[in-house]
Amino acid sequence: QKEVEQDPGPLSVPEGAIVSLNCTYSNSAFQYFMWYRQYSRKGPELLMYTYSSGNKEDGRFTAQVDKSSKYISLFIRDSQPSDSATYLCAMSGSQGGDGNDMRFGAGTRLTVKP
Amino acid sequence: KAGVTQTPRYLIKTRGQQVTLSCSPISGHRSVSWYQQTPGQGLQFLFEYFSETQRNKGNFPGRFSGRQFSNSRSEMNVSTLELGDSALYLCASSLAGSSGGLADTQYFGPGTRLTVL
Repeated sequence: QKEVEQDPGPLSVPEGAIVSLNCTYSNSAFQYFMWYRQYSRKGPELLMYTYSSGNKEDGRFTAQVDKSSKYISLFIRDSQPSDSATYLCAMSGSQGGDGNDMRFGAGTRLTVKP
Repeated sequence: KAGVTQTPRYLIKTRGQQVTLSCSPISGHRSVSWYQQTPGQGLQFLFEYFSETQRNKGNFPGRFSGRQFSNSRSEMNVSTLELGDSALYLCASSLAGSSGGLADTQYFGPGTRLTVL
């Protein structure tokens, strides 16, 4: 079983729809949760960052973390064709200079149709 | 501030050859991590360098190696290439890479797409 599970999709929605993207994880040590957006032929770019449980909102994007269920979500409201990309969840947990311990989901490919 | 740069952007090699990829981190970032991205496996961590030392290593064979220079620039080398090594190789830099908060968030380069024939 992978440490981070993410449905690769593809997911296709009409413009204006609410999009829900999700990841589950198995390592309870994860404390930092991130969503990256990756356009075709580009590297991933950080979209949202959340520490521990709770919600975080940034414009049309809302990130939710439920540590008790080991489940994180990204919601996109009023989706636009420019949101078409692959969305990767990522998480990490260690502190104290142990080095990179980030783990990524496989990524969900989203297409928003005009 | 310039982002993470990677060279070359595209590379075609044949089985058995070796390849060296280069990464220049964001100015001031001391941690450089390398990832392999494939459609089937997603993003897989290769290794991380911090202050010229390999600090963390993923589960890849010894054919994959890297190094970091005093200016934090990093190179990754793959020897005896196999067809399965075809992938997008991503480099990411961060201030310290310790997962200690947003300040250590990784910023990715555009990647080098390696095709092995």
